[in-house]
Amino acid sequence: DVKVTQSSRYLVKRTGEKVFLECVQDMDHENMFWYRQDPGLGLRLIYFSYDVKMKEKGDIPEGYSVSREKKERFSLILESASTNQTSMYLCASTLDGEGKRDQPQHFGDGTRLSIL
Amino acid sequence: SQQGEEDPQALSIQEGENATMNCSYKTSINNLQWYRQNSGRGLVHLILIRSNEREKHSGRLRVTLDTSKKSSSLLITASRAADTASYFCALSLLGGFKTIFGAGTRLFVKA
Repeated sequence: DVKVTQSSRYLVKRTGEKVFLECVQDMDHENMFWYRQDPGLGLRLIYFSYDVKMKEKGDIPEGYSVSREKKERFSLILESASTNQTSMYLCASTLDGEGKRDQPQHFGDGTRLSIL
Repeated sequence: SQQGEEDPQALSIQEGENATMNCSYKTSINNLQWYRQNSGRGLVHLILIRSNEREKHSGRLRVTLDTSKKSSSLLITASRAADTASYFCALSLLGGFKTIFGAGTRLFVKA
């Protein structure tokens, strides 16, 4: 089974801090995604990556950056945390390539981040 | 909005009853997927239906897709208390990497 591991289940940080959220997947997936989930809004895509060192902005990239130095690891960085970034953050991965467009996303258990 | 919109937002039923959740959307899709999320956990993929398919089954799950009406439904038969969760439809858009998730239906199954 595919395993997507997020480094922290709960995290509390202060306004202005630089925050790192880590995600690791063990199935050699090409694509990795970071979402935030807020009540009533569903999942909103922050950034995604389709290869090492490649990244694409999602729908709400402002205030965030990402890093993908190795295929299995995708990091989300909050450059200067603000209270409106308090949310549940979910990482996902999926296979890609020719004929593999119909692949489901595999999610980690999420990081509940509180910014005080 | 490209987002899938689930209906109802919340549903409460007795164990053994069937649960039906609907998803409507506005754009053209490659496929539509349904996911489940237990409280405080990540999403788990349930079933995928391609745009050229009309119905799909997996265990107690039945999914239909009507591309002319741009809608899908998820039926859970003989529900159990363990089915209590949030259910999301997700749209895989034509020509892109992105998957667009709806806001979800919260299902509560009473024992």
